[in-house]
Amino acid sequence: EAGVVQSPRYKIIEKKQPVAFWCNPISGHNTLYWYRQNLGQGPELLIRYENEEAVDDSQLPKDRFSAERLKGVDSTLKIQPAELGDSAVYLCASSLAESYEQYFGPGTRLTVT
Amino acid sequence: GENVEQHPSTLSVQEGDSAVIKCTYSDSASNYFPWYKQELGKRPQLIIDIRSNVGEKKDQRIAVTLNKTAKHFSLHITETQPEDSAVYFCAAVGGDNAGNMLTFGGGTRLMVKP
Repeated sequence: EAGVVQSPRYKIIEKKQPVAFWCNPISGHNTLYWYRQNLGQGPELLIRYENEEAVDDSQLPKDRFSAERLKGVDSTLKIQPAELGDSAVYLCASSLAESYEQYFGPGTRLTVT
Repeated sequence: GENVEQHPSTLSVQEGDSAVIKCTYSDSASNYFPWYKQELGKRPQLIIDIRSNVGEKKDQRIAVTLNKTAKHFSLHITETQPEDSAVYFCAAVGGDNAGNMLTFGGGTRLMVKP
């Protein structure tokens, strides 16, 4: 069974540019999460989806961040415009609807210069 | 909301020794406590978890204990091997209003010296 897939794995952009990350969860996993992991820290939740509905986006900086999961499977996370402080690893995770067990993708390492 | 503290931040042990990592949490309604292992540049991997109705769980060389009264839980690794070297994160899922939201500790960098 394939795990959570993310792309790109690495992205370097200049500040004020837009960037987008893509995630394909494990097949059958209704719940999808986006986390941000700063260097040397644990992941922090940005947004959680149940199917196509965003049920927890309280930690998402909505002035520059947006996310979508239109068909309840793949998801994209966008930053526009990027700032220097957005440099981090962006992790996607998924789980079955009634399960606590979350499985992570490899992440996208974003560097904003 | 939930707050998870993890100690120590770094831990160095000799191969074959045991390693213990401790976490405390703030939300007494938390009911699920996973541990993730993250090797450099790789994804966090779930290695063991425990639910609030259980005090201890073991899987080969790793075990987790939970003390609900004191609101702390610990990861125990016995007979450590160099491949155990990684950053370990504890996490907790909060109470009824938290959905499946994981709150992570700050991580422990474990170094096993051969």
